[in-house]
Amino acid sequence: EPEVTQTPSHQVTQMGQEVILRCVPISNHLYFYWYRQILGQKVEFLVSFYNNEISEKSEIFDDQFSVERPDGSNFTLKIRSTKLEDSAMYFCASRIALAGGAISYNEQFFGPGTRLTVL
Amino acid sequence: TQLLEQSPQFLSIQEGENLTVYCNSSSVFSSLQWYRQEPGEGPVLLVTVVTGGEVKKLKRLTFQFGDARKDSSLHITAAQPGDTGLYLCAGGRDSWGKLQFGAGTQVVVTP
Repeated sequence: EPEVTQTPSHQVTQMGQEVILRCVPISNHLYFYWYRQILGQKVEFLVSFYNNEISEKSEIFDDQFSVERPDGSNFTLKIRSTKLEDSAMYFCASRIALAGGAISYNEQFFGPGTRLTVL
Repeated sequence: TQLLEQSPQFLSIQEGENLTVYCNSSSVFSSLQWYRQEPGEGPVLLVTVVTGGEVKKLKRLTFQFGDARKDSSLHITAAQPGDTGLYLCAGGRDSWGKLQFGAGTQVVVTP
């Protein structure tokens, strides 16, 4: 069964360093998302991406964050200068886009996550 | 912000018992998803409900969407230790946008 994959599974970095988290969405999906979950807290939306541009972003997604779809398969989240409070699990999600007026119920499929630890 | 409140936060039951988890909001959602999450892993989609009053069954799990599409419930019949996990509800206001997650209900089923 197709699934969303993410690499690395765990990333440890020093405060102020740049990190890139990578995701390979399900192959026929066209909507992509990043969420994060700080330990013990809710899953929070960061950004959505469609047709090679950001369609929505949260207040968390400030100028330190960026997303990119560098090729036909990868979807990346970059944090330019990490802070201690960026430590969290980061989840990539994707969903299919249906054409021709077909109904789509916003079923988002999540990857296994990348645990980011900022020291 | 559309808030989703889940209750209870924690539920511990014996194998064979039934349980119900609730997800409530003051806002209307176009669809509501239920996920299950294991420690250190991503949420796994269980079901999506979209129509007010809709009931969906997944083996021993029964999901219901409220008539007004503001609330939902998950009922597990004859719970088994394998049902142990964090159950999350998540709602979307449209068919393409972000999901708003509840805080989750931790279910523990002991043999």
